[in-house]
Amino acid sequence: DGGITQSPKYLFRKEGQNVTLSCEQNLNHDAMYWYRQDPGQGLRLIYYSQIVNDFQKGDIAEGYSVSREKKESFPLTVTSAQKNPTAFYLCASSPTGFSGNTIYFGEGSWLTVV
Amino acid sequence: DAKTTQPNSMESNEEEPVHLPCNHSTISGTDYIHWYRQLPSQGPEYVIHGLTSNVNNRMASLAIAEDRKSSTLILHRATLRDAAVYYCILRDGNTDKLIFGTGTRLQVFP
Repeated sequence: DGGITQSPKYLFRKEGQNVTLSCEQNLNHDAMYWYRQDPGQGLRLIYYSQIVNDFQKGDIAEGYSVSREKKESFPLTVTSAQKNPTAFYLCASSPTGFSGNTIYFGEGSWLTVV
Repeated sequence: DAKTTQPNSMESNEEEPVHLPCNHSTISGTDYIHWYRQLPSQGPEYVIHGLTSNVNNRMASLAIAEDRKSSTLILHRATLRDAAVYYCILRDGNTDKLIFGTGTRLQVFP
């Protein structure tokens, strides 16, 4: 079945470590997105990409990095520069070119700093 | 960027209609209005979307103001399974950027 797969579901990071969250989609979508959600809060955009080898910063990009080397993959690296990374991370994808296209979300990844 | 504003929370009893409002006064002409809902620790689920005309599907109805500066998601008969956080989202027609509202937490009482 087509969809978005995020992994791992739960991840623990030690202080000063970089960690990478995986997001893979087999929907042939051009646009992909990463959001951060703190407990009880809404979604904030970290990065998004409309096409392979191109991506744009969102509202809270500091301390994060992404790559888009393949259409189906948009990994997010949480670097040691992100001082408060404990949160729920959501990946999404969608076709581009028409703002009425449906947006598909993954099931999310929990990141905890220990 | 356009912004959206939603009430923090709303309550309903089972089998009653629910009207969830969203203000998006800076919406541009090509921005679609999307509604999603989210259960704790899960990814958001599609509910409905529209541009100018009112829309209906098996889950809900979307009423869009004539000036498009606001919209209302209508759940015709709330069930306990409708308890969730509902997000009003604008999709920028030029950049494909998704702009999330603050979300409305809907509580449904039996």
